[in-house]
Amino acid sequence: QVQLQESGPGLVKPSETLSLTCTVSGASISSYYWSWIRQPPGKGLEWIGYIYYSGRTNYNPSLKSRVTISVDTSKNQFSLKLSSVTAADTAVYYCARVPGAYGDYVTPDYWGQGTLVTVSS
Amino acid sequence: DIQMTQSPSTLSASVGDRVTITCRASQSISSWLAWYQQKPGKAPKLLIYKASSLESGVPSRFSGSESGTEFTLTISSLQPDDFATYYCQQYNSLFTFGPGTKVDIK
Repeated sequence: QVQLQESGPGLVKPSETLSLTCTVSGASISSYYWSWIRQPPGKGLEWIGYIYYSGRTNYNPSLKSRVTISVDTSKNQFSLKLSSVTAADTAVYYCARVPGAYGDYVTPDYWGQGTLVTVSS
Repeated sequence: DIQMTQSPSTLSASVGDRVTITCRASQSISSWLAWYQQKPGKAPKLLIYKASSLESGVPSRFSGSESGTEFTLTISSLQPDDFATYYCQQYNSLFTFGPGTKVDIK
């Protein structure tokens, strides 16, 4: 059974960097793509970006200047960093598996439960 | 960037009703369209991928279809467990989600 679990601070100050980690169990991270998606309270889903296990990344153009996604295959984890946060970055952050080889057209199947990150001083 | 729209934004229906939700892409996305169901406080659940392929374990009352850049999710007979918000998502070029359709009790 594939499981993903987000972890990280639930409160981040404005202008600081949001950092989250997703730990994958029941599957090796050394295959497929791995993605971050967020959802502001009461609003819709917004894709942040994804990383192929080899390290190749793609980001949402609207967030690209502030986002870094990395992978640590030794720990079966991948991570998100979002810099210069504001209140608009307050959201539930989800990590998800995107099953496919590099270049395939694939969509997330397994998701973590999500973690709420609030940006406030 | 590819934009996705959904209609209606809210739909009130009764158990047993046939429900149809429409999603439109701003440009061609081939068949690279997924549908997700989300309940309050839960992660989205994949229902349909590649416009009309049913994800394993998803009830057959859910179906998807496409016509050009217009895609449809149909629930043939609405069940109590189906009251939720539904999102379409394109994966032809990066990922973009639609704004969602909330299905509530009439």
